[in-house]
Amino acid sequence: KNQVEQSPQSLIILEGKNCTLQCNYTVSPFSNLRWYKQDTGRGPVSLTIMTFSENTKSNGRYTATLDADTKQSSLHITASQLSDSASYICVVSAAGSARQLTFGSGTQLTVLP
Amino acid sequence: NAGVTQTPKFRVLKTGQSMTLLCAQDMNHEYMYWYRQDPGMGLRLIHYSVGEGTTAKGEVPDGYNVSRLKKQNFLLGLESAAPSQTSVYFCASRTGSGELFFGEGSRLTVL
Repeated sequence: KNQVEQSPQSLIILEGKNCTLQCNYTVSPFSNLRWYKQDTGRGPVSLTIMTFSENTKSNGRYTATLDADTKQSSLHITASQLSDSASYICVVSAAGSARQLTFGSGTQLTVLP
Repeated sequence: NAGVTQTPKFRVLKTGQSMTLLCAQDMNHEYMYWYRQDPGMGLRLIHYSVGEGTTAKGEVPDGYNVSRLKKQNFLLGLESAAPSQTSVYFCASRTGSGELFFGEGSRLTVL
């Protein structure tokens, strides 16, 4: 069964600090992995996509990494801001099917002033 | 450009009542999805559609029906609501590269 596990479940950091969120997956055959940000009361919004051949990709203060061998991804947030407080969801796509999107439960990040 | 629009945003039902959630997208996407999101759980797929006139069951389809009569609209129906269907429902449409665009969510409470 395809699974996506995220850790930690929740994280509290002070504004200006860095943090790293983890995503482990067992999805086969792997197509790509996306990180979404979900603000409270809003729908998720895509931050970045990682394909099999990509190791690192940055989007502003967000940097995602992918290790396809160990089936792990991380999302690193640099110099956190209050607006980074949100749930971060890892979504892995399996190749070949419209329904094969497996969602992690998300990491709830709280940034305190 | 509105993206994905869901209506209504909030609804309270009594057990046994019926209702329909409407999802509209203006991005000409073929694929559309209905998910539910419950505390501590990931988004779970209810039903999806790969094009106008097509629908298919997802992970948790029981108690729900859907229709895709027009490409831009995807309707989710509850024929006889149950308290277990209290949740936040998200509609999404998908690009060819697999990126999902979500609506703002519809919060449903069944008493």
